Amino acid sequence: NAGVMQNPRHLVRRRGQEARLRCSPMKGHSHVYWYRQLPEEGLKFMVYLQKENIIDESGMPKERFSAEFPKEGPSILRIQQVVRGDSAAYFCASSPDLRRGSNTEAFFGQGTRLTVV
Amino acid sequence: QQQVKQSPQSLIVQKGGIPIINCAYENTAFDYFPWYQQFPGKGPALLIAIRPDVSEKKEGRFTISFNKSAKQFSLHIMDSQPGDSATYFCAASSGAGSYQLTFGKGTKLSVIP
Repeated sequence: NAGVMQNPRHLVRRRGQEARLRCSPMKGHSHVYWYRQLPEEGLKFMVYLQKENIIDESGMPKERFSAEFPKEGPSILRIQQVVRGDSAAYFCASSPDLRRGSNTEAFFGQGTRLTVV
Repeated sequence: QQQVKQSPQSLIVQKGGIPIINCAYENTAFDYFPWYQQFPGKGPALLIAIRPDVSEKKEGRFTISFNKSAKQFSLHIMDSQPGDSATYFCAASSGAGSYQLTFGKGTKLSVIP
């Protein structure tokens, strides 16, 4: 039973290029969340998606960032025209449907470390 | 605005000691408080979690103490081992689901033999 799979593990991009980060949730999980972790910081929520729907994108920067979770295939976090400040670790988590009071949890992948040079 | 404040930033204890990590929150709507353990190069892994209807929860060597009136919660690691050396994050969430976690900045724990 594979966990949350993220790829690539490491990604280097030049300023102005596009970065695409992929996340395959755990089997049976239909909810995906993306978090960003800056050096020496905690994780910051970015976006919550279900299949073909963005449920909450309140943590996403207004420009250059987008996310999708198509009916088939992994979830994609896309960063256009990357800048040095985008350098961070990006973590994806997945869960089954989390309901209030439930004991289910979100499981995190190993992250993609993006370096913008 | 940092909604979950975590301290200390780093902690060194000897093997067998009991490190204590503290977190304080501001949002009274938070109703789920997990702790995550993260090793270098890995993603965070859920260690233990608590809801405000209990004041303490114990799982193995890990204990969460929760003080609702003070809006504080803490993690205690009993009989700490060098393998416990990692970064620990407290988090909190509210609402219909526990998906949107607000994390503290983390505590880097080193357990020396």
